Amino acid sequence: QVQLVQSGAEVKKPGASVKVSCKASGYTFTSYGISWVRQAPGQGLEWMGWISAYNGNTNYGQKVQGRVTMTRDTSTSTVYMELRSLRSDDTAVYYCARDFYCSGGSCLNTFDIWGQGTMVTVSS
Amino acid sequence: QLVLTQSPSASASLGASVKLTCTLSSGHSSYAIAWHQQQPEKGPRYLMKVNSDGSHSKGDGIPDRFSGSSSGAERYLSISSLQSEDEADYYCQTWGPGIRVFGTGTKVTVL
Repeated sequence: QVQLVQSGAEVKKPGASVKVSCKASGYTFTSYGISWVRQAPGQGLEWMGWISAYNGNTNYGQKVQGRVTMTRDTSTSTVYMELRSLRSDDTAVYYCARDFYCSGGSCLNTFDIWGQGTMVTVSS
Repeated sequence: QLVLTQSPSASASLGASVKLTCTLSSGHSSYAIAWHQQQPEKGPRYLMKVNSDGSHSKGDGIPDRFSGSSSGAERYLSISSLQSEDEADYYCQTWGPGIRVFGTGTKVTVL
């Protein structure tokens, strides 16, 4: 079935980096884009950015711009999100989600499949 | 600026109906939105996409009790025959030029 499976929980110290993976299965990986969304404890959902699995194009949200890098590996159908210079307020559950479908030069917005989430704790 | 506005909370009795509203900011009334459900201690789940003409496309396995509609800049999620498992946070989300935006969520309580 169509699913996104994320890597396990991480504990990091302030100033460190974290890299979270999101492995896709059950669909044509390169036909879709993936967004990353995070949720701090007790808070709402915050969009961080997206990556096209087709060509690797990215667009990042203003709050994490400059600290985040999203990449993909088409050989393993996996998308990665790396966040650098971690702070305590980066403590959150990080989700990947299948965001948009592109074919023949046109794209359709979806946001229809979510990963299970990855808890990232930043603490000294 | 693209903003989605949601009421913080809603409640209804078991077996009753509830209608949630998501309002698009001025100038963005033609945008489609998606509704996502997040049950306590779980990740979000896609419910449906609602277009400006009121048409909607639900995710796999979403019960018929859930439906979407639209009027002007408002997008709605209606839940009929409320069940205990419908108690959750509901987020609307939209796609802007290069960006994605979430509403602040509505917490639904089943009385």
